[in-house]
Amino acid sequence: GAVVSQHPSRVICKSGTSVKIECRSLDFQATTMFWYRQFPKQSLMLMATSNEGSKATYEQGVEKDKFLINHASLTLSTLTVTSAHPEDSSFYICSARGRGRLSSYEQYFGPGTRLTVT
Amino acid sequence: DQQVKQNSPSLSVQEGRISILNCDYTNSMFDYFLWYKKYPAEGPTFLISISSIKDKNEDGRFTVFLNKSAKHLSLHIVPSQPGDSAVYFCAGSHDMRFGAGTRLTVKP
Repeated sequence: GAVVSQHPSRVICKSGTSVKIECRSLDFQATTMFWYRQFPKQSLMLMATSNEGSKATYEQGVEKDKFLINHASLTLSTLTVTSAHPEDSSFYICSARGRGRLSSYEQYFGPGTRLTVT
Repeated sequence: DQQVKQNSPSLSVQEGRISILNCDYTNSMFDYFLWYKKYPAEGPTFLISISSIKDKNEDGRFTVFLNKSAKHLSLHIVPSQPGDSAVYFCAGSHDMRFGAGTRLTVKP
């Protein structure tokens, strides 16, 4: 199956700093990438959708100036948490949809990144 | 606006018995419905899907049923195994917003 990686898997940063999380599709071209945040007690919240070469579409309530998303190529999307605060501590997951042989409906998820802001 | 809903946050079953996870939806335009499985500290993985023109899709121990008139789908796992313990999410095609998830615990 298709593989999506995330880097780093864990990051600890100080309050006020910015953190960048990378999401890469390793063996397919990801026309669309999605960023999720997992809250306590399991729910996955869609933060934004990004298409290669265009601006991300953010879900209601997600601050686009705080969570900067860049989808510069068909294999890479980045999420930058700017001026991080402890309440931004969470598990961030990306996913990708591809084209060609891949199902147009299936998403392929990265392993997630645990962000801890101290 | 949440278009799929999972109203049961948790489910506990005995090993070997059937697990039934439920999902309701509001958008009749979905072409497919998908189920994902998620272990702690990992990304979700695709489990099984069903086309909106079908009412059943089976893959080994996993069967998904679709009731379009009720706008309801369910995932059946039989027999349930301890390794099935995870959080299960349903989703509709083109809508990347998941239901709240159901935590399944299969007891040995």
